[in-house]
Amino acid sequence: GQQLNQSPQSMFIQEGEDVSMNCTSSSIFNTWLWYKQDPGEGPVLLIALYKAGELTSNGRLTAQFGITRKDSFLNISASIPSDVGIYFCAGLRGNKLVFGAGTILRVKS
Amino acid sequence: KAGVTQTPRYLIKTRGQQVTLSCSPISGHRSVSWYQQTPGQGLQFLFEYFSETQRNKGNFPGRFSGRQFSNSRSEMNVSTLELGDSALYLCASFGGTGQETQYFGPGTRLLVL
Repeated sequence: GQQLNQSPQSMFIQEGEDVSMNCTSSSIFNTWLWYKQDPGEGPVLLIALYKAGELTSNGRLTAQFGITRKDSFLNISASIPSDVGIYFCAGLRGNKLVFGAGTILRVKS
Repeated sequence: KAGVTQTPRYLIKTRGQQVTLSCSPISGHRSVSWYQQTPGQGLQFLFEYFSETQRNKGNFPGRFSGRQFSNSRSEMNVSTLELGDSALYLCASFGGTGQETQYFGPGTRLLVL
């Protein structure tokens, strides 16, 4: 099925470091979303972006909606051990969400 | 407010059997979407129900079906199970202005042997 191109696939970083991940698509989306999934749980919405160029923060998380509406990035500042998990980007087209394959984040304490 | 609940949480079936999964959305939410999550394919959209009607459908074979009841609870059925149907099945509900307020349940992990 169609997916967004999300990178990197996985990251192994030092606690306190900043993290950056991104998603690209060949198609335009009107809404970009970022989710985090912990083991054994469903994805939890972190940030929603509704306008091209929009930059939104949620605590240590910052995400931007690309001006071409074909990409988005997520930054996590000063990572901590509880940031581990899988991060998904998702684009909204109509009433359907299209997901990236996920970025696995592992933090070394 | 209680979150999205899914039952059962874990299930083991054998090839050829059928399975029914259940999802109870957040109280007041009328839309329920189902997704299949596998390591190889990520999260794939199955279908969406709103007010007991299927509003959207993904690219899955007819063995995958669903329905929604008048209380917004939804069930998903997979008939003639195949090994490749082993996955985490996620249900999400929303009741806001759009899909962006979609909340996921913990999922049902299905293993087909």
